[in-house]
Amino acid sequence: KAGVTQTPRYLIKTRGQQVTLSCSPISGHRSVSWYQQTPGQGLQFLFEYFSETQRNKGNFPGRFSGRQFSNSRSEMNVSTLELGDSALYLCASSDLQGAGELFFGEGSRLTVL
Amino acid sequence: AQSVSQHNHHVILSEAASLELGCNYSYGGTVNLFWYVQYPGQHLQLLLKYFSGDPLVKGIKGFEAEFIKSKFSFNLRKPSVQWSDTAEYFCAVRSSGNTGKLIFGQGTTLQVKP
Repeated sequence: KAGVTQTPRYLIKTRGQQVTLSCSPISGHRSVSWYQQTPGQGLQFLFEYFSETQRNKGNFPGRFSGRQFSNSRSEMNVSTLELGDSALYLCASSDLQGAGELFFGEGSRLTVL
Repeated sequence: AQSVSQHNHHVILSEAASLELGCNYSYGGTVNLFWYVQYPGQHLQLLLKYFSGDPLVKGIKGFEAEFIKSKFSFNLRKPSVQWSDTAEYFCAVRSSGNTGKLIFGQGTTLQVKP
């Protein structure tokens, strides 16, 4: 089986812009979660989607949003980018309706200038 | 709020030394516990997990962990480390019902000297 695939792998944006990141889960996995990884804050949970519905949400401002499509692929969007949004954004998928282990992608590294 | 604490931020060992990384969590209910590893330039990979049953869990590459409920701990161990174990190690907790939401510790960077 192919692993979790995230695109793009690297991107550079400027403050005020918006960005959309994409995640394709492992085939058959319907739960997709997003995490932000920074040197200062570590790994922080953003949100989880299951069957096109947001099922769980972390403590991030409304500028961070996501969605899931009927084929379980997911996107996350960050609007009005701030310098502090520079991070590695990780996507993870899980089977067993989200109760299984999480399989992580390689991440999308966002740099905000 | 739930939290996970990893005792050591940076550990340096020589090859063949024994390893123990501490992990404590704060949550009184049922939990799933995980140790993930991130090798340089690679994605997070699962080392081992505890869902229920035998509290001594064996994972990949000779790693094991013991869940001690009374101490809210899930320490990672390996009897003899190798240079290839150089990586960052993360402990994570998921509380019952919180599918997809892992609370991670800050991570421990392990450097193994050949």
